[in-house]
Amino acid sequence: GAGVSQTPSNKVTEKGKYVELRCDPISGHTALYWYRQSLGQGPEFLIYFQGTGAADDSGLPNDRFFAVRPEGSVSTLKIQRTERGDSAVYLCASSLISVGQGARELFFGEGSRLTVL
Amino acid sequence: AQRVTQPEKLLSVFKGAPVELKCNYSYSGSPELFWYVQYSRQRLQLLLRHISRESIKGFTADLNKGETSFHLKKPFAQEEDSAMYYCALQGGGADGLTFGKGTHLIIQP
Repeated sequence: GAGVSQTPSNKVTEKGKYVELRCDPISGHTALYWYRQSLGQGPEFLIYFQGTGAADDSGLPNDRFFAVRPEGSVSTLKIQRTERGDSAVYLCASSLISVGQGARELFFGEGSRLTVL
Repeated sequence: AQRVTQPEKLLSVFKGAPVELKCNYSYSGSPELFWYVQYSRQRLQLLLRHISRESIKGFTADLNKGETSFHLKKPFAQEEDSAMYYCALQGGGADGLTFGKGTHLIIQP
């Protein structure tokens, strides 16, 4: 596809359950970002991958959250023991890192809306 | 720590009127600033970035380091400008963007 693809688009789960959210970035984009957007708020940074490695995971709220990108393309955000406060839209974005070009454009997916009952 | 503040949650103006969406930032270094827009039922997308000094869809934004502001302006609003607008800052290195809470712009006919 031409854009960033995220699945599922909607996920309803019960408190305490485990959830996986998937992101398929634009082909050739080496940088991948996860954000979380709660109602009435702007996107909040969670984690950034450069290739296969997490270059910055300072935004992950606690150790229940984990993300992987094993082959440098698709990424999965994993949430263990979900809580009601985890309910939000989880956004994925990718970008083409160009050395020396400074400000880079992020291309966002449509998001995965997670509801924890 | 870096922070982006958008003081207006909602801004409503009439078609043809000038628009200014305010954005103030807090960052100790030299920031890179962006405006992202989300139209109804569409994904978040880049509108413009300060480094390009460009005008997109009639919108411009000037970085004022003295006032630490990056306000978004358009002289004559159009109905299709109705959307959520987010100001964002990128600090040094490869870190992710820090977004403001957004301003919902409504253009009335």
